Amino acid sequence: AQKVTQAQTEISVVEKEDVTLDCVYETRDTTYYLFWYKQPPSGELVFLIRRNSFDEQNEISGRYSWNFQKSTSSFNFTITASQVVDSAVYFCALSEEGTNAGKSTFGDGTTLTVKP
Amino acid sequence: DAGVIQSPRHEVTEMGQEVTLRCKPISGHNSLFWYRQTMMRGLELLIYFNNNVPIDDSGMPEDRFSAKMPNASFSTLKIQPSEPRDSAVYFCASSLGHQNEKLFFGSGTQLSVL
Repeated sequence: AQKVTQAQTEISVVEKEDVTLDCVYETRDTTYYLFWYKQPPSGELVFLIRRNSFDEQNEISGRYSWNFQKSTSSFNFTITASQVVDSAVYFCALSEEGTNAGKSTFGDGTTLTVKP
Repeated sequence: DAGVIQSPRHEVTEMGQEVTLRCKPISGHNSLFWYRQTMMRGLELLIYFNNNVPIDDSGMPEDRFSAKMPNASFSTLKIQPSEPRDSAVYFCASSLGHQNEKLFFGSGTQLSVL
């Protein structure tokens, strides 16, 4: 069985602060995929990143960066110099190969509020 | 390019009525997913299709829920009869293939059953 835990329900920061959103996952598969999605107030979920289990390189995209550590089963997301437009609910998701291929299990989400 | 299109955006109905939610996936995408989002249960996968064939419907809550995909460009999720506990946001998503590709979500249908 697969599981995704986002322990932080809500985070509030002031603009320009850095913020890290945690994601811990559980899976028995050796091949799996991790995702982050953003759900702004408008409601539509937007894909941010996908990482497979064999690629532990960290990734940076502008103000966004992701830290994947298999040893701790974590795939954390950092926003540097946060902005008000970053306010949203952020979801971490896991998808396994094999019989569950194509299914994604989502965490409960972390609501990020960036105050001006 | 058009994204995933869902209709209606909002639906208010009375308990016992039939509700039909519609989805048009992105052209060329082979997989289609129906999710339900509530405060209590978060995002739940209800059913997904690959090449118009239902692959896994284990998330469908009960027999009142049914989903079809008659062709590659259209899917429906039907609830009959609807109940207040069905109130939620229902998302449709599509992806390029069967193998863990990223999901493209529609704007969702906000369903309220009174």
